[in-house]
Amino acid sequence: GGIITQTPKFLIGQEGQKLTLKCQQNFNHDTMYWYRQDSGKGLRLIYYSITENDLQKGDLSEGYDASREKKSSFSLTVTSAQKNEMAVFLCASSPSGNSDYTFGSGTRLLVI
Amino acid sequence: QEKVQQSPESLIVPEGAMSSLNCTFSNSASQSIWWYQQHPGKGPEALISIFSNGNKKEGRLTVYLNRASLHVSLHIRDSQPSDSAVYLCAVGGGSALGRLHFGAGTQLIVIP
Repeated sequence: GGIITQTPKFLIGQEGQKLTLKCQQNFNHDTMYWYRQDSGKGLRLIYYSITENDLQKGDLSEGYDASREKKSSFSLTVTSAQKNEMAVFLCASSPSGNSDYTFGSGTRLLVI
Repeated sequence: QEKVQQSPESLIVPEGAMSSLNCTFSNSASQSIWWYQQHPGKGPEALISIFSNGNKKEGRLTVYLNRASLHVSLHIRDSQPSDSAVYLCAVGGGSALGRLHFGAGTQLIVIP
């Protein structure tokens, strides 16, 4: 069985800071996703990538950058953290063209 | 853009009861419907999926899909305290193959 690992598990940042979240998977999945989860709201897609070096914007891409330098890893950068921001960022992967996602455990972000 | 709405927001049932969760979506051409279970501090895990009209049963879980009414339901028979979690409905098959759109979730609490 494979695993999808997100680091760090918790991230505390300051307003205006650039913050990077990392995700690694060993399923050999082609497609990887970054979702944001806020309390009381559905998961919202930030970026996804269908193969190495590919990047596609989701519905919530403003304020974020992403990078897929290797098939196994997908990183997300918050370009300027907003004060009092609190959310969980979830990474997922799936085989090509398939909706069978596997999620990581998430990175919990708090901006002070 | 696909809209996914879940009801109720929260559900409390006694141990052994049937739990019934609902989900409506906006696009009758959506190819797949997925139900995910999310425990606190964890990422969502896929429980069951359905691709065609009708019902599907797996263990204590039954899913009913009615494309004409844009409605899908998840029923958990003999609910257990360990079933207490957030349940997310996700709909796929839009413009980006494989991409899922998520509802806000139903918080299920099963009381011993």
